[in-house]
Amino acid sequence: EVQLLESGGGLVQPGGSLRLSCAASRFTLSRQAMSWARKAPGKGLEWVSSVSGSGGNTYYADSVKGRFTISRDDSKNTVYLQMNSLRAEDTAIYYCAKDLSPSGRDGMDVWGQGTTVTVSS
Amino acid sequence: QSVLTQPPSMSGAPGQRVTISCTGSSSNIGAGYDVHWYQQLPGTAPKLLMYDNSNRPSGVPDRFSGSKSGTSASLAITGLQAEDEADYYCQSYDSSLTVKIFGGGTMLTVL
Repeated sequence: EVQLLESGGGLVQPGGSLRLSCAASRFTLSRQAMSWARKAPGKGLEWVSSVSGSGGNTYYADSVKGRFTISRDDSKNTVYLQMNSLRAEDTAIYYCAKDLSPSGRDGMDVWGQGTTVTVSS
Repeated sequence: QSVLTQPPSMSGAPGQRVTISCTGSSSNIGAGYDVHWYQQLPGTAPKLLMYDNSNRPSGVPDRFSGSKSGTSASLAITGLQAEDEADYYCQSYDSSLTVKIFGGGTMLTVL
């Protein structure tokens, strides 16, 4: 069974940084577009960022643009989300997901179990 | 306020049929972008329930069906079961915003 395993979440102060990792198991990330989404307490799912299968295109929600950076290391079969200048409103469970197509604009068919990020002083 | 509009909550009795709507605009669903649906059970990760408007991934019961017309899409669940109680989200792509978009989610209660 294909799996995604997120790590790197935790408690961080406002203004701080975290790097989330998403490791793929039993399939190769190469040429797969990958995405991050989050669910804040009491709110719905929010798409955060995607990277195309080639890695040449990255996409960000307005709420994180300029603060978050998505990247991929196909040699490690891992996708990352570097989160800087964190705010209280970034508190959420962060999910990594594999896209249905390489474009980065499609649906997502494989999801990780999520990693919790809490931004608080 | 989500770009895709869903009813915040719906309910139905076991065995009934419910239909969850997802209304967009000419820059997303109406522009021809596919709609995907996810089910999120309490305390678990989202699960792809329907892709490309009306296709069920392997393992999803045929009680679930999807459709799309104009600027809207819908997810129908027939023969409602207690295990269907969950949050449901539609998702598409918006060409004006150049981002993926989720609906606000629908909390389905099985009475």
